[in-house]
Amino acid sequence: EVQLVESGGGLVQPGGSLRLSCAASGFTFSSYSMNWVRQAPGKGLEWVSYISSSSSTIYYADSVKGRFTISRDNAKNSLYLQMNSLRDEDTAVYYCARVSSTAMVTLWGQGTLVTVSS
Amino acid sequence: EIVMTQSPATLSVSPGERATLSCRASQSVSSNLAWYQQKPGQAPRLLIYGASTRATGIPARFSGSGSGTEFTLTISSLQSEDFAVYYCQQYNNWPPTTFGQGTKLEIK
Repeated sequence: EVQLVESGGGLVQPGGSLRLSCAASGFTFSSYSMNWVRQAPGKGLEWVSYISSSSSTIYYADSVKGRFTISRDNAKNSLYLQMNSLRDEDTAVYYCARVSSTAMVTLWGQGTLVTVSS
Repeated sequence: EIVMTQSPATLSVSPGERATLSCRASQSVSSNLAWYQQKPGQAPRLLIYGASTRATGIPARFSGSGSGTEFTLTISSLQSEDFAVYYCQQYNNWPPTTFGQGTKLEIK
């Protein structure tokens, strides 16, 4: 089955860190670029970060630049998001997303909830 | 950054009727526009890409149109499973890729 499964979400205090993981299966992970997209409670979708298939190209939203780091391990079919200096406004469900050659999402994971609160 | 504006915020339609959802871009995005459907507690699902091409497995009652700055998603005869939130996304000028704020399609 073609799927993406996120893990690593949870409750963290402001200023803390968290590492999200996404396990891909059912397709050739190393051939696809990937995104992280988040959704604050009751809000819309916000693109967070992009990584190309070979990790040669990486982009971040301004709201997370300098605090979040995207990476991947094609040998392990896994995508990661290291989140540092977390803020209240980072509270959201984080989705791992497979993208086309553009930034169109063709496959979404089920999401993992990150709550930043003291 | 391109701003995507969807209207209306909420649309009330009866089952079996037609629904028309709009999405406007703050500058031209050519045909690089996608539509997603999201049901409560679920991840979004790709419906339309390239402004008018249905994704794999999407029923023919869903259609997309438009180019440049004005886009429309039409659901020709609403089924109970179609009541959800719909998002448009531009992927013409990125990063960042940007989403509209969503239209909630509810049962009238």
